[in-house]
Amino acid sequence: EPEVTQTPSHQVTQMGQEVILRCVPISNHLYFYWYRQILGQKVEFLVSFYNNEISEKSEIFDDQFSVERPDGSNFTLKIRSTKLEDSAMYFCASSEPFRPEQFFGPGTRLTVL
Amino acid sequence: AQSVSQHNHHVILSEAASLELGCNYSYGGTVNLFWYVQYPGQHLQLLLKYFSGDPLVKGIKGFEAEFIKSKFSFNLRKPSVQWSDTAEYFCAVYINTGGFKTIFGAGTRPFVKA
Repeated sequence: EPEVTQTPSHQVTQMGQEVILRCVPISNHLYFYWYRQILGQKVEFLVSFYNNEISEKSEIFDDQFSVERPDGSNFTLKIRSTKLEDSAMYFCASSEPFRPEQFFGPGTRLTVL
Repeated sequence: AQSVSQHNHHVILSEAASLELGCNYSYGGTVNLFWYVQYPGQHLQLLLKYFSGDPLVKGIKGFEAEFIKSKFSFNLRKPSVQWSDTAEYFCAVYINTGGFKTIFGAGTRPFVKA
């Protein structure tokens, strides 16, 4: 069964450093999403992406964040200058065109020191 | 603003007891509703979903949920829980306001005593 994959599974970085989290969505999906979950808290929407542009973003998704689909298979989330409060689990998701069901990846745990 | 509220953030019950987790959402448009489960250290798994049709939906692991439009609710139920059902349960609503996103509730963590 096709699934969403994410790399790395765990990323440790120093405050102020740039990180790129990678996701490979399911191949025929056209909608892509990033969510985050701070430890012990709920899952929060960050951004949705369709047709090579941001479809919707939350107030969390400020200028420090960016997303990109650099090729036909990857979908990346970049955090330019990480802060301590960016430490969280980041989930990528994808969905088929016009279908609300999203398939989630296993997540990348980002730890900012 | 759109939101999802879950009641009973922590629930303790014994095996074989019935479970009901409350969920209410705040959104006036068409909704697509989900329940996800997250076992410790694992990622989100879809339990069940409601898009349209029969408001009583059945999911995996013996779970079901009922959509009551007039109450903006989508409560999750299981007639007889097992110790292995100890996990975090998230109610979520997918909305389309030109852009697309899923809004999650804060989660409910039932603890099932063996």
